[in-house]
Amino acid sequence: DAMVIQNPRYQVTQFGKPVTLSCSQTLNHNVMYWYQQKSSQAPKLLFHYYDKDFNNEADTPDNFQSRRPNTSFCFLDIRSPGLGDAAMYLCATSREGLLSSYNEQFFGPGTRLTVL
Amino acid sequence: GQQVMQIPQYQHVQEGEDFTTYCNSSTTLSNIQWYKQRPGGHPVFLIQLVKSGEVKKQKRLTFQFGEAKKNSSLHITATQTTDVGTYFCAGPGTGNQFYFGTGTSLTVIP
Repeated sequence: DAMVIQNPRYQVTQFGKPVTLSCSQTLNHNVMYWYQQKSSQAPKLLFHYYDKDFNNEADTPDNFQSRRPNTSFCFLDIRSPGLGDAAMYLCATSREGLLSSYNEQFFGPGTRLTVL
Repeated sequence: GQQVMQIPQYQHVQEGEDFTTYCNSSTTLSNIQWYKQRPGGHPVFLIQLVKSGEVKKQKRLTFQFGEAKKNSSLHITATQTTDVGTYFCAGPGTGNQFYFGTGTSLTVIP
């Protein structure tokens, strides 16, 4: 089945120790997104790629970086995790861009990040 | 910045009662989407509305997009325990951004 896969499902890191979360998709969608969702809050968009074009949200901290080496994979790098970065990180894909009438987003199961 | 608010924040209903969540954006939206997130799960797409005044139905769920394209609603008729979860509206903002509403958490009491 076509899907969005995130690894690992749970990640524990130490304060200040870089961590990378990964996402892959078999949907062959053009757009990939990274969201941060804290407990009892709405998902917050960090950045997204339309193909290789990177779009950074204005208030995404510099501590967060992303890479999309090919259509199928996208990575979220947190350079120096702080306690406030503990959250669920959701990857999503869509066939078309944000303003399209066909930008239904498909979410992966998420990676829950714990910072010790 | 743009804000997308939903009311109520929480709603408890008896099974069989109706439920409505309202979504209001501070700016006009080109389209609006609705997602459902079960406890411990990830958001799952329900529907997208594009046209001003549009109404769409999915079985017991009715979605509306306001005439000014700044508000939307989701109404569930005769709730079931499987409807439990948080319902989010979401839509594109200015500057290539995408905003989720604050969400409404629905609890259905059997």
